[in-house]
Amino acid sequence: EDQVTQSPEALRLQEGESSSLNCSYTVSGLRGLFWYRQDPGKGPEFLFTLYSAGEEKEKERLKATLTKKESFLHITAPKPEDSATYLCAVRGTGGFKTIFGAGTRLFVKA
Amino acid sequence: DAGVTQSPTHLIKTRGQQVTLRCSPKSGHDTVSWYQQALGQGPQFIFQYYEEEERQRGNFPDRFSGHQFPNYSSELNVNALLLGDSALYLCASNPTAFTYEQYFGPGTRLTVT
Repeated sequence: EDQVTQSPEALRLQEGESSSLNCSYTVSGLRGLFWYRQDPGKGPEFLFTLYSAGEEKEKERLKATLTKKESFLHITAPKPEDSATYLCAVRGTGGFKTIFGAGTRLFVKA
Repeated sequence: DAGVTQSPTHLIKTRGQQVTLRCSPKSGHDTVSWYQQALGQGPQFIFQYYEEEERQRGNFPDRFSGHQFPNYSSELNVNALLLGDSALYLCASNPTAFTYEQYFGPGTRLTVT
């Protein structure tokens, strides 16, 4: 069964302190791995899709990378406005559903 | 260009009642999925609609049902509400059934008392 595990559950950083969030996954044939940002009480906001191992994508201070078993979301010099929950999700070849992890709550202090 | 919209924003219901939530997909999107998100958890897939048919269903009981209309908008119905149904209900749309990234609405917060 497709599964996504994210770590850590919560991460507290000082402004400017770079770090990485981890997403481990098992899926029967990867169609896509997705990263979303979610602010409290709101719907997830799409960030990236990665399709194959070795692929990387960047957006402002965020960079997502993908291996055959994991994805990392690297945050460079974060700012307080980067504070949010970051969700990882996968879509496999076994159907149409997208499986989400529980998320990493990121807190960035000024 | 309007994004995914959902109504209502908040809803309070009593155990045993029925509820209907509504979703309009992003313009040009024809596939709609529904998710349930409990506090502190990731979204859980309920079902997906394409061409007015339910394409796949997650591990949710038959109390959860849905519908997609010819204009691609969708409804989620939940019967015989339980306290455990309290959650944020999210609607997401795809540009086509064969693209994988989804765009989410703001959600409907359902509280069952």
